Amino acid sequence: DTAVSQTPKYLVTQMGNDKSIKCEQNLGHDTMYWYKQDSKKFLKIMFSYNNKELIINETVPNRFSPKSPDKAHLNLHINSLELGDSAVYFCASSQSRGQYETQYFGPGTRLLVL
Amino acid sequence: AQSVTQLGSHVSVSEGALVLLRCNYSSSVPPYLFWYVQYPNQGLQLLLKYTSAATLVKGINGFEAEFKKSETSFHLTKPSAHMSDAAEYFCAVTPNSGGYQKVTFGTGTKLQVIP
Repeated sequence: DTAVSQTPKYLVTQMGNDKSIKCEQNLGHDTMYWYKQDSKKFLKIMFSYNNKELIINETVPNRFSPKSPDKAHLNLHINSLELGDSAVYFCASSQSRGQYETQYFGPGTRLLVL
Repeated sequence: AQSVTQLGSHVSVSEGALVLLRCNYSSSVPPYLFWYVQYPNQGLQLLLKYTSAATLVKGINGFEAEFKKSETSFHLTKPSAHMSDAAEYFCAVTPNSGGYQKVTFGTGTKLQVIP
C-alpha cells in the first residue's frame, strides 16, 4: 500500500561507478520529482516530469539522467559517481504541476559514495 | 525568485509548551505556502498549506499556521508539544501563477521536545 516507493533504500558504491535509483507511485498522479537532500538537510529539486515530459531541469551535472517510462515511474541514473553525490535522494509525486498541490514523498535513497 | 527563510535551525520546547516555528517568505505577490514535516529516516509529509483562501490554516496533528501579508510570514504553531512532534520542519513556497513552477524549500528547523 506504499504510495511512493523507492529502491534501493541504501546504496553504497565506489567513486566512478554508475548507479540507478527507481521510483514508483501508485497514487495515479501525473507529475513526479527528484530531490536531493544534503547532509545539512537542505532539500533541492533536481528534475520534474509531467505526463512523462521533462518540465523542470535544474542546474544538475549531466551525469544525472532521469527517465520516465510512464506516469507511474521515474528513475534516476547517475554516471561516474563522485564523493559530492553522497546525499539522500527523494522521489515525490503530485497531481498536476505541483503549484499548490500536495507533494507525496518516498522514503528516500541514502547514497554513499566512497 | 521565490524564497523562504526559516529563523532558527534548532528549536527546543518542553513537552506541553507552545511550539512556534518561524517562516518568512520573499515575494512581491502572495505565493502558495506549505509546511512539511520530516521524521527521522523518512520522507517529507505535508502538515498544511496556504492557497489564498483562509489566512488561518489548520493542518494535521494539531498544527496551524497564519498567513500574514503585512509581515510576509507564515509561522507554524501548536498549543501543546508532544514528544512525537520531534522532527525536522520545512517551510516551502511556490509562485501563485501559471506555468511550470517549482516548490522551493527552506533550510529546515529541527524541533526538539524535552520531557
